[in-house]
Amino acid sequence: SAVISQKPSRDICQRGTSLTIQCQVDSQVTMMFWYRQQPGQSLTLIATANQGSEATYESGFVIDKFPISRPNLTFSTLTVSNMSPEDSSIYLCSVEEGAGSQAFFGQGTRLTVV
Amino acid sequence: KQEVTQIPAALSVPEGENLVLNCSFTDSAIYNLQWFRQDPGKGLTSLLLIQSSQREQTSGRLNASLDKSSGRSTLYIAASQPGDSATYLCAVLDSNYQLIWGAGTKLIIKP
Repeated sequence: SAVISQKPSRDICQRGTSLTIQCQVDSQVTMMFWYRQQPGQSLTLIATANQGSEATYESGFVIDKFPISRPNLTFSTLTVSNMSPEDSSIYLCSVEEGAGSQAFFGQGTRLTVV
Repeated sequence: KQEVTQIPAALSVPEGENLVLNCSFTDSAIYNLQWFRQDPGKGLTSLLLIQSSQREQTSGRLNASLDKSSGRSTLYIAASQPGDSATYLCAVLDSNYQLIWGAGTKLIIKP
């Protein structure tokens, strides 16, 4: 099973600033995903980040607001840009070792925007 | 469009009891179903994965069943402990290879 290290675990940020969240995996994985979980809600997929290609964003999420990097098969970053209080959520990265295989998650980043 | 529902939204039981959490989905065309546990403010821990061809999976005190034709899965927790307190999420991998999530069941085990 993949072990995922996600940083930071939490942060409190001023509105208008940006935060970059890092996700490091202990093995090479093709498929990496970024999710948002708003307070009291379930998970919403932001984008799929596969190495060697541009990230694919879900409806309601755009690259200017959530730029993603995937420089290699073990690392990815998600930036939350020009933050507002509505961006306060838990952000989670996830990997799957193959299509249809078990999903593994990082510890999550709890973001509060004030 | 696939939809996943978890009932109940919250459950509180005394320590030691056996309990069942429910997950239903509207489209039986799934590749697999997964159960996860989430502690407050934390990430998710994968508990069990059931492939579409399987009927159940077991891990320790946990047993998950899958009835694809009726669109249902259950997570059975035997001899519950306070450490089992968490939110339990189910997710199905749909025909587009996307995970579709339920809203979760918040479980509290009272000592």
